[in-house]
Amino acid sequence: AQKVTQAQTEISVVEKEDVTLDCVYETRDTTYYLFWYKQPPSGELVFLIRRNSFDEQNEISGRYSWNFQKSTSSFNFTITASQVVDSAVYFCALRRASYDKVIFGPGTSLSVIP
Amino acid sequence: GAVVSQHPSRVICKSGTSVKIECRSLDFQATTMFWYRQFPKKSLMLMATSNEGSKATYEQGVEKDKFLINHASLTLSTLTVTSAHPEDSSFYICSARDPGRGYGGVENEQFFGPGTRLTVL
Repeated sequence: AQKVTQAQTEISVVEKEDVTLDCVYETRDTTYYLFWYKQPPSGELVFLIRRNSFDEQNEISGRYSWNFQKSTSSFNFTITASQVVDSAVYFCALRRASYDKVIFGPGTSLSVIP
Repeated sequence: GAVVSQHPSRVICKSGTSVKIECRSLDFQATTMFWYRQFPKKSLMLMATSNEGSKATYEQGVEKDKFLINHASLTLSTLTVTSAHPEDSSFYICSARDPGRGYGGVENEQFFGPGTRLTVL
């Protein structure tokens, strides 16, 4: 069975703090894809990153970074120097290689306080 | 590129009526589209996979006769909520996969519409 767990339901940080959002996934497949999406209050999903299972290289994009560790089935997301505009719900998601379906985690609601 | 639109963005209807939501891929042809439902403060739950020219594949627990999906062209899929009731009130999101984009690298592959907020009175 495929499953994505985001243990943190809600997180609040003060602006400029760093914050890490956890994501743990379950799959028996050897090839799969992991995603992070941001959903601001407007509701529209914003794609942040896709990572293939055979590429464990960590990714950095500006203030965002992702740590992918197959050994622990984790794909954590860190925001450095958080800003108020980062306030949103963040979803981690998983897709099996041979299927189109994307399975979403329950989401983590991040509030960045000025 | 790779834009997906949804119409309407918001709809309020009376209980017992039917509501149609459109999902369009504006600049690519989508052989496969997906319909999700999202309750307040909850995650996205896949309702069905819509394939152009064939019947939709529904997820377990989703009523096929309640949520009618039609994918008549490569750029349009519709979701009709039939005989809507207040418990059908939700945020409905569609997505489309762009077959022209490879699965390598870190680029996006599935594009989401802005969502439709349905309120049934």
